Amino acid sequence: SQTIHQWPATLVQPVGSPLSLECTVEGTSNPNLYWYRQAAGRGLQLLFYSVGIGQISSEVPQNLSASRPQDRQFILSSKKLLLSDSGFYLCAWSGTGGGYTFGSGTRLTVV
Amino acid sequence: KNEVEQSPQNLTAQEGEFITINCSYSVGISALHWLQQHPGGGIVSLFMLSSGKKKHGRLIATINIQEKHSSLHITASHPRDSAVYICAVSTGGSEKLVFGKGMKLTVNP
Repeated sequence: SQTIHQWPATLVQPVGSPLSLECTVEGTSNPNLYWYRQAAGRGLQLLFYSVGIGQISSEVPQNLSASRPQDRQFILSSKKLLLSDSGFYLCAWSGTGGGYTFGSGTRLTVV
Repeated sequence: KNEVEQSPQNLTAQEGEFITINCSYSVGISALHWLQQHPGGGIVSLFMLSSGKKKHGRLIATINIQEKHSSLHITASHPRDSAVYICAVSTGGSEKLVFGKGMKLTVNP
């Protein structure tokens, strides 16, 4: 069966510090992978998606970057966090047929 | 105007009531998703549909492609149904989702 692992669950980081959130998928190959963010009081917004290794598309200009070093690994990074980067970050994957599976999310607070 | 609109934004119901959550969208879609988000933040996919109607337990989802509208119905609601229900559409290609803002449902015993 397909599973998705996302960590850490919560993170408190100071402004200006780096960030690395990791997501891995099991039980499938060549999935589409996504990073979404939910800011406080707002809906989910797509940040990045990837249709294959090394292929990253960015949806909104921002302080973050993403990488896909392996087929089932998707990483969200920042060199220097801003207060506005606080939010709830979700990794997700979709396969053939378009069905979606979400990770458990990371609640990031930048202080 | 958002591409995906949900109504109502909040709803409080009594246990046992029949609940309807609405979603309208303004773009062409390949599929519509109903998602459930619990207070901890985790999201569960309830339905993905591109036409007609789907049923799972006490949940029923319908979609009208011509009217660009979908509804999620909860029969015999229960306090454990309390959550945020999110409508999202995928627009083909990469299957990336565009989300509504969600509807917070509280079911009181």
